[in-house]
Amino acid sequence: EVQLLESGGGLVQPGGSLRLSCAASGFTFSSYAMSWVRQAPGKGLEWVSGISGSGGSTYYADSVKGRFTISRDNSKNTLYLQMNSLRAEDTAVYYCAKDYAGSGWFRGAFDIWGQGTMVTVSS
Amino acid sequence: EIVLTQSPGTLSLSPGERATLSCRASQSVSSSSLAWYQQKPGQAPRLLIYDASSRATGISDRFSGSGSGTDFTLTISRLEPEDFAVYYCQQYGSSQKTFGQGTKVEIK
Repeated sequence: EVQLLESGGGLVQPGGSLRLSCAASGFTFSSYAMSWVRQAPGKGLEWVSGISGSGGSTYYADSVKGRFTISRDNSKNTLYLQMNSLRAEDTAVYYCAKDYAGSGWFRGAFDIWGQGTMVTVSS
Repeated sequence: EIVLTQSPGTLSLSPGERATLSCRASQSVSSSSLAWYQQKPGQAPRLLIYDASSRATGISDRFSGSGSGTDFTLTISRLEPEDFAVYYCQQYGSSQKTFGQGTKVEIK
C-alpha cells in the first residue's frame, strides 16, 4: 500500500525553527518528485515547496523562499522540510504529497497525500 | 502568479442531481496543467482529475473534467451521498503552483 506519514509538527515561537519529516512506503520513492502543501485552519490549500526525484532540483513558493528548505534522503525513503524564521502566518497543517507523474520530473500535481502534521507558530 | 477563481462558493444540490463547478484562471494555464481535488472534513485532499480531463486511478466515471486556456469545469454527473465535500482546482503549469479557494458542495 502506498503511504506517506508526516511527523515533526508542534508549537514553536515566532522566529523559531522546525523540521518536518515524511516517511514514504509502497512505491519507488526516488522515481517521484515530492512536495509539501499546507492548509491554514479553516482555509484553502497552498503549495509550499517541491523537489525532483533525484533531489537535484528544488522549488519554493514565494511566501517561504529563503526561509524553508526542502530535501530528501532516497536511501531512507524520507522527505524533509526545514522551516526557519517561522511566522504566525505559517500556522497550518502541512501535508506531504507525491507527484502524480513518474520519471522523477517535478510536475506539481499530487496523487498521494499524507494525513498531515500541524504546525502552530505562537508565543 | 496565476490566480484561480472558483465558482460558485457553495453549491446546494440533492443526491442524484448534476453538479457543475467552474475554475477560471487569471492567465492561460500551460498545457492544460490543471487538476481537481476533493476534500472531506478532517481528511487529506484526494486527486480526482489531472491534465484537465484525465481521471485519476480509482475515480468514478461520474467525475469528468473539461476546459483549456483559462476556463475549466468539473462535472459530477449524479451526486452520491459521499460526493458532498469541498472541491479545489489547482494549476501546475507555472513555477508557482496555485489552488483555487474551493467550492463546497452541500446537501440541499
